[in-house]
Order: sequence, then C-alpha cells, then structure tokens
Amino acid sequence: VHLVESGGGVVPPGKSLRLSCVASGFAVSNYGMHWVRQVPGKGLDWVAGIWSDGTKKNYRGSLKGRFSISKDRFQNTMYLEMDSLRAEDTAVYYCARERGYCSGETCFDGVDGLDVWGQGTTVIVSS
Amino acid sequence: SFELSQPSSVSVSPGQTAAIPCSGQKLGDKFASWYQQKPGQSPVLVIYQDTKRPSGIPERFSGSNSGTTATLTISGTEPMDEADYYCQAWDSDTAVFGGGTRLTVL
Repeated sequence: VHLVESGGGVVPPGKSLRLSCVASGFAVSNYGMHWVRQVPGKGLDWVAGIWSDGTKKNYRGSLKGRFSISKDRFQNTMYLEMDSLRAEDTAVYYCARERGYCSGETCFDGVDGLDVWGQGTTVIVSS
Repeated sequence: SFELSQPSSVSVSPGQTAAIPCSGQKLGDKFASWYQQKPGQSPVLVIYQDTKRPSGIPERFSGSNSGTTATLTISGTEPMDEADYYCQAWDSDTAVFGGGTRLTVL
C-alpha cells in the first residue's frame, strides 16, 4: 500500500499547479482521501478531502474557491488543482488515505485517522 | 471554530513514561488520532479511534480520550521515540490538527 505525490515545483504568484497522488495496493474509490500541507518547520494543516464515493468534497475554509480536489478511479489517482497561488501556499503537500470507520453495515468518512501517507511534494510560490 | 491545543514540548528520560495531552471542546465526543513525525519524514499514524494501535506500532504507545482531553502515552520511552507528535480529530467534516508537540528524550 503506497501513495506517491508529484507535480510540485516553483511557480510565480497567481499561477496554477496540479498535484497528483497515485495509489497502489488499494483503490482510491474505496477510501476517503485527503491533502495535508506543512510549511517547513511548522505543523500539519489539513487542506482538502474527498469522500470515498466522491460525492462530498471539503476544503479548509480559507482555500475554498482556489483549490479543487478530485479523484479518478480508473487512474487510481487523486488530484489537487491549485489556482491563484500565493506565497503563503508554499509548503510540502502530502496526500493521505483515511481509515474507513464502519459500524455494522455502515461506513463513514470524516471520522477516523489517516493511515497511509505519501512522501510529499514541495510547492514553492515565488517570483 | 474547533481547535486542538498541545504543549509545544515535552521532555522525558529514557525508560520513563511520556504523556502528551491534546485539548479541545468536547474532544471526548469525537475520535482522536495521533501521528508521529520524525525530521524529513512523512507523518505516521500511531493511535486511531482514541486507543487503537495500527499494526507495527509498538505496544508502548497508548491513547485515551475523555471530556476535553485526549492523551498519548508512551511507556518505557526509547531514544527512537524522539519526534514531533500531532493529535487530530474531525469537526464538521474537516480534519483539525493540534499544533504539535516536540518530544525530547534525554
């Protein structure tokens, strides 16, 4: 079970970037998937998440409207489209899988911990 | 908005017990998770659903959660446990992380 991010780089303010997260060993369509970022030397900040069935997408409040999360079950890949990038978006971006919490026959997203993490991809927004 | 608070640092001697608290409003009503992160590495889940350990995590790691405080306890702390530890819970379909605690083993 692995996650591998790519797509990071150096971009000028105001530009766009798309991050990819390729999963192996499991199907992204069966799990809630998330992006978490970390400014070097600082803590973890949840960025966005997409429910296992893809019907629900949530974003950190301040990022709503600029970032868009999606996943492709055929490519077994999750994406983060980032628009109008700002210097404060500079960070290492991790993708992570959420453990599926199930009670009886019903399973829930947005409840449990993140049990698989990628190695991270670095985004630097600078002119 | 929902926030989680952790002490910025905790120190412990090798072989002793380290306790890292995480506080948040009605945190006991939610599941708490804990992550370990060593320098230059990705976070690793060490506790989920308040008290459960993923496979491969040593038994010396344990968790509790009640009222407004979740606690990560490391019994018989080893030098390799020196790392940053983050608590995490969910609120209104968003994941919230604590600010992190640097555990120093000395």
